[in-house]
Amino acid sequence: DVKVTQSSRYLVKRTGEKVFLECVQDMDHENMFWYRQDPGLGLRLIYFSYDVKMKEKGDIPEGYSVSREKKERFSLILESASTNQTSMYLCASSSPGMNTEAFFGQGTRLTVV
Amino acid sequence: AQKVTQAQTEISVVEKEDVTLDCVYETRDTTYYLFWYKQPPSGELVFLIRRNSFDEQNEISGRYSWNFQKSTSSFNFTITASQVVDSAVYFCALSEAIGSSNTGKLIFGQGTTLQVKP
Repeated sequence: DVKVTQSSRYLVKRTGEKVFLECVQDMDHENMFWYRQDPGLGLRLIYFSYDVKMKEKGDIPEGYSVSREKKERFSLILESASTNQTSMYLCASSSPGMNTEAFFGQGTRLTVV
Repeated sequence: AQKVTQAQTEISVVEKEDVTLDCVYETRDTTYYLFWYKQPPSGELVFLIRRNSFDEQNEISGRYSWNFQKSTSSFNFTITASQVVDSAVYFCALSEAIGSSNTGKLIFGQGTTLQVKP
């Protein structure tokens, strides 16, 4: 059974804290993605990576950074958490090619107080 | 710019009714991919179907069917004889391609919340 695992289901952090959201996939996928989900807005792409040590900005990268030191792991970093980063965060992975689809983790609901 | 619109925010039906979820997309690309995902209350997005822009064949899978029409830029999803377990948020998504290869970068609609009442 394919798996994308996010390290936490729920997190509560204080404003200004540095926050790490971890994602691990066991499908040997080259591509990994971080999305943010907000009511009425669907999911929006924050950052993505097509290879180890490679990263590219998505549609809403401000306030975030990422790290991919190993193929199976993709970390999202909030350098200084703010209340407007309270949201659901979803990690996904996929293979390149024609007939492929993304597999998602269970999501991390982050609350910044 | 690419865009996906799901005009229906919430739909409520009674069990065994048929329900259609609408999806309209915008893209200038000639090659692209369309998807439907289901998000149950547990939060994880579950893949339902993928369609390539060069494959307009519609599909039926059990109680699910999909209607892809490039002429109207629509990719609608129908559940026949709905069940309570179908209650979830459904997302339509578009992925751009490089050549014919799926980039994997998804542009999502706003989602449609389906409630199926017993």
